[in-house]
Amino acid sequence: QQQVKQSPQSLIVQKGGIPIINCAYENTAFDYFPWYQQFPGKGPALLIAIRPDVSEKKEGRFTISFNKSAKQFSLHIMDSQPGDSATYFCAASPHTGTASKLTFGTGTRLQVTL
Amino acid sequence: GAGVSQSPRYKVAKRGQDVALRCDPISGHVSLFWYQQALGQGPEFLTYFQNEAQLDKSGLPSDRFFAERPEGSVSTLKIQRTQQEDSAVYLCASSLRRDRRYTGELFFGEGSRLTVL
Repeated sequence: QQQVKQSPQSLIVQKGGIPIINCAYENTAFDYFPWYQQFPGKGPALLIAIRPDVSEKKEGRFTISFNKSAKQFSLHIMDSQPGDSATYFCAASPHTGTASKLTFGTGTRLQVTL
Repeated sequence: GAGVSQSPRYKVAKRGQDVALRCDPISGHVSLFWYQQALGQGPEFLTYFQNEAQLDKSGLPSDRFFAERPEGSVSTLKIQRTQQEDSAVYLCASSLRRDRRYTGELFFGEGSRLTVL
C-alpha cells in the first residue's frame, strides 16, 4: 500500500530551469512533509520540510507548495544547477512531538544539464 | 563521529547465510530507525527504537529479521538465512536529542549495501 505517491519518476532540465516534483498522500493523520535529497552512494539528507498550517515555504532556491484540501505537495527548485542532480524523495509522517516513522515516496531522479 | 556511521558498507552473502549490520547513531540521539531501500525505490521503514526500547517493528518483512539496541546507542540489524530478495541498501537514521525539541529531521547514514547471491 503506497501511502505517498510521487511523480515524475525522472526529470531532465537545463541549467537555470525550474524542475517541479509532485507528491500526493492519503493518510489524513500525516502532518509533517519533508523532502530529502540523495546522491549516489549516500544516505538521504533533509532539504526542506513543511507543516500543513502554511501553504508555502521557501529556503534558498527550494520551495514547497502545500495543498491540504487536495492532499498534495510539491517541490520547486529555482535556478537549478548541475550540482542539484540527485534523487529527491518526498515523505510524510504524523508529528507527535516525538520521533515518528517517515513514509517515503518512490523518488524522482533529477538531472540538470549544462 | 559527527554523523551516523554504518558498517559494513558492502556485504556479499551466499543465500542462507546470516548477516549482521551495525549502526552507530549520532551521539545523544535517542531515536533510531532502520530502513530498507531497494534499487530505484524509496526507503521503507523496518523498525524504530527509542533508547533501548523497540517501539515499532511493524516493517520487518519476516521473522528472519531482528534488530536490537541493548544499551540505547549502537544498534544491530540481523538477517538470518538470507534470501535473494533481501538484497538492498539498509539505512540507519537517528534523531531527537534528549535536551532539545524534536524537529522532525532524521539524520541518515550512508547505508550498508547487501547483495545475496
